[in-house]
Parts: sequence; structure tokens; C-alpha cells
Amino acid sequence: QQQVKQSPQSLIVQKGGISIINCAYENTAFDYFPWYQQFPGKGPALLIAIRPDVSEKKEGRFTISFNKSAKQFSLHIMDSQPGDSATYFCAAIYTGNQFYFGTGTSLTVIP
Amino acid sequence: DTEVTQTPKHLVMGMTNKKSLKCEQHMGHRAMYWYKQKAKKPPELMFVYSYEKLSINESVPSRFSPECPNSSLLNLHLHALQPEDSALYLCASSEVVTGFYGYTFGSGTRLTVV
Repeated sequence: QQQVKQSPQSLIVQKGGISIINCAYENTAFDYFPWYQQFPGKGPALLIAIRPDVSEKKEGRFTISFNKSAKQFSLHIMDSQPGDSATYFCAAIYTGNQFYFGTGTSLTVIP
Repeated sequence: DTEVTQTPKHLVMGMTNKKSLKCEQHMGHRAMYWYKQKAKKPPELMFVYSYEKLSINESVPSRFSPECPNSSLLNLHLHALQPEDSALYLCASSEVVTGFYGYTFGSGTRLTVV
């Protein structure tokens, strides 16, 4: 059973556009929602994260929007750049207990 | 030091070989993990060590044998692997098991079994 559902599976965006990746979860015990960025041949790297008591968090061009009632959260990449081309994984953590990855989104930013 | 270092970066081994993967961190993290990742898939948890003791084994075949010699080191011993074991093997660490700030991942070892 997939604990965290992620969409889309792949995404192509023009340079300068906005990339949006969505995730949904069921378990209300999750208390931390990180996003990881992974380049080919590298391990996932923490990009940005949010706790469920916050509705939005912004770090540079990256923003997480969190809707607790809908049990959904999304990553927005503003002014997308070719260097942002990577696979993005959302995740949900139940602190001290479980860590679940989403299925991943392959982002390609076209120059 | 905020890194998890994995060696080797690449490994090719035959099905009768014995090899080991090594992982090291100096962030004072007390939880360390082994993950297996296939192409275009999320990492899959294999083992969890908490305070140098194995706390989770996700039904991994015995041809994979983890070892945690001390709080900074994690090894994965490989023996009699199958071609389907070819994958990217990732080590990760966190302050404590499923720590509040998530995991720090290494760059992985790309393993090819021939």
C-alpha cells in the first residue's frame, strides 16, 4: 500500500516556467514532510521540508504548500532552470517510527 | 562535516564474489540506514541501525549482511548476489531513528552483478 501518492510521474517545463509536483497522504500521524532532489548517480538530497502546523514554506525559488485538511502537499519551483532537471521525491515521516517516500517525479526543464 | 561518505562509488562483482560496501558519517548521528534503489524508483529500506544495534531488517535476503562497527561506520557485506541485485545502494543517517529532520543520504554505490 502506497502511503504517499505522488504525481505527475514526469514533467516537462520550459525554462522560466513553474514546476508543480503534488503529493497526498492518508496517515494523519505524519508530522514532517520533506522533499528530496536526486540527480542521476547521486543520492537524494534534502531540498525543503515542512511541518503540518504551517501552510506554506518558501526557500528561494522552492515553495511547499501544505493543505492539512485535504492531506495534500505540493512543491512549486518558480523560474525553473535546466539545472533543476532531476527526480523529486516527496516523503512523509512519522517521527521515531516510519519514513515513506513518494513514487518520484522526473522533471525536465527545457532551455 | 555534514556528509555521508560511501565507498566504493562503483562496484562490479561476480555471483560467487564476496565484497563489502562502506559508509561513514561524522555528524554524530545515532541512526544509520541501508537503502536499495532501482532506476526510476524511490529508495527501498533494507536495514536500520539505532545506536549501533540492528533495529529493522526489512526481510532482506541473507546474501546481504549489515554490520555497524561503531557509531560512525556502517558496512554492507555482499555474498553470492544475483544479477537482479544490481542497483544503487544508498546509505543514510539521521540524528535518531526517523529523526525529525529527515535523513542525510550518501551518493551511493552503483553495484553491478555479472
